Amino acid sequence: GQQVMQIPQYQHVQEGEDFTTYCNSSTTLSNIQWYKQRPGGHPVFLIQLVKSGEVKKQKRLTFQFGEAKKNSSLHITATQTTDVGTYFCAGYQGAQKLVFGQGTRLTINP
Amino acid sequence: SQTIHQWPATLVQPVGSPLSLECTVEGTSNPNLYWYRQAAGRGLQLLFYSVGIGQISSEVPQNLSASRPQDRQFILSSKKLLLSDSGFYLCAWSVWNNEQFFGPGTRLTVL
Repeated sequence: GQQVMQIPQYQHVQEGEDFTTYCNSSTTLSNIQWYKQRPGGHPVFLIQLVKSGEVKKQKRLTFQFGEAKKNSSLHITATQTTDVGTYFCAGYQGAQKLVFGQGTRLTINP
Repeated sequence: SQTIHQWPATLVQPVGSPLSLECTVEGTSNPNLYWYRQAAGRGLQLLFYSVGIGQISSEVPQNLSASRPQDRQFILSSKKLLLSDSGFYLCAWSVWNNEQFFGPGTRLTVL
């Protein structure tokens, strides 16, 4: 079945540094979604990318969808302590089943 | 607006005891419903999903089962819990292949 790999598994940065997490799928995706899970909380939807080569921005967060629709990235510029958490990418296998990557856990030294 | 409820928030159960976790959704009709389990510091493991009343797809063979007796109600059950069933159980809903909305989760500890 479809696999979604995410790297790195962990990332520790100094506050103000940039952060990037990468997501790769074994199959072409119809769309890619990103979620954030704060420590002790539940995953919260951030964004969905649909088009090949699409780039979307949310304030300091930049999301990219690869040309082949098999990879994606999330880049955070000038991290803040509020960015702490685990970031997951996910892609649908078929119309109902969402396959999640393993997540990248971001910790920040203030 | 849509709301998803899960209860209980935390649960401590002995090995071999039964389990019943309930999830209900408000404000939407005929949602896709999902049960996930998350081990400490790990990713999300899809356990079951449902596209309609009485329709359950199982992703992982184990001692858990799921039921959807009503359109917006999803129940996760076990007849006899194992130590390995400990984890953070999350219910989620979506419409077709759009974003998923997660409930607050149930932290289950099996002793």
